Amino acid sequence: EAGVAQSPRYKIIEKRQSVAFWCNPISGHATLYWYQQILGQGPKLLIQFQNNGVVDDSQLPKDRFSAERLKGVDSTLKIQPAKLEDSAVYLCASSLESGRSYEQYFGPGTRLTVT
Amino acid sequence: DAKTTQPNSMESNEEEPVHLPCNHSTISGTDYIHWYRQLPSQGPEYVIHGLTSNVNNRMASLAIAEDRKSSTLILHRATLRDAAVYYCILRDRRTASKLTFGTGTRLQVTL
Repeated sequence: EAGVAQSPRYKIIEKRQSVAFWCNPISGHATLYWYQQILGQGPKLLIQFQNNGVVDDSQLPKDRFSAERLKGVDSTLKIQPAKLEDSAVYLCASSLESGRSYEQYFGPGTRLTVT
Repeated sequence: DAKTTQPNSMESNEEEPVHLPCNHSTISGTDYIHWYRQLPSQGPEYVIHGLTSNVNNRMASLAIAEDRKSSTLILHRATLRDAAVYYCILRDRRTASKLTFGTGTRLQVTL
């Protein structure tokens, strides 16, 4: 079974530039999550999708971050414009469905450096 | 979300058992106890979860105190590949889904 795929694996941009990350969840997984992990901290949930609808985006900085999951499969997370404090690893995870499935499966992450 | 407390770091010798503690004194009756681990340069991976009874799987065992205010993740024979950050997370079974990670315990395994 293929795991959660993310690209790119690494990205370096200057502040005020824009960047986008892509995630392909495990086939059949209805729920998709984006987490932000700052160095030395645990991952923090940014947004959760159930199919193509948003379930929780309470910690997403909506003035600069946006995410979409068209057709309920792949997802894209965008930052525009980036700030220095956005330097982090962005993790995508998926699970079979919200509530019943106990396991979240994580991708390898995208390491973003903002200079 | 109910809070968990874990030691920042622990060390173990290879092929010895490891007991990773977690305190969760404010746990509610609807909270499951989940453990995830994160190997270097990888995303977190699920290890085990439980509600009240002790649980075993191929990766580890989870021992839950009778009052549920603490739990212990047990790796029966640590290997170098078990070196990782281990996260203890409480997850409300009514709302499920959301994982709130703390800073976890960094486990070092030496020869």
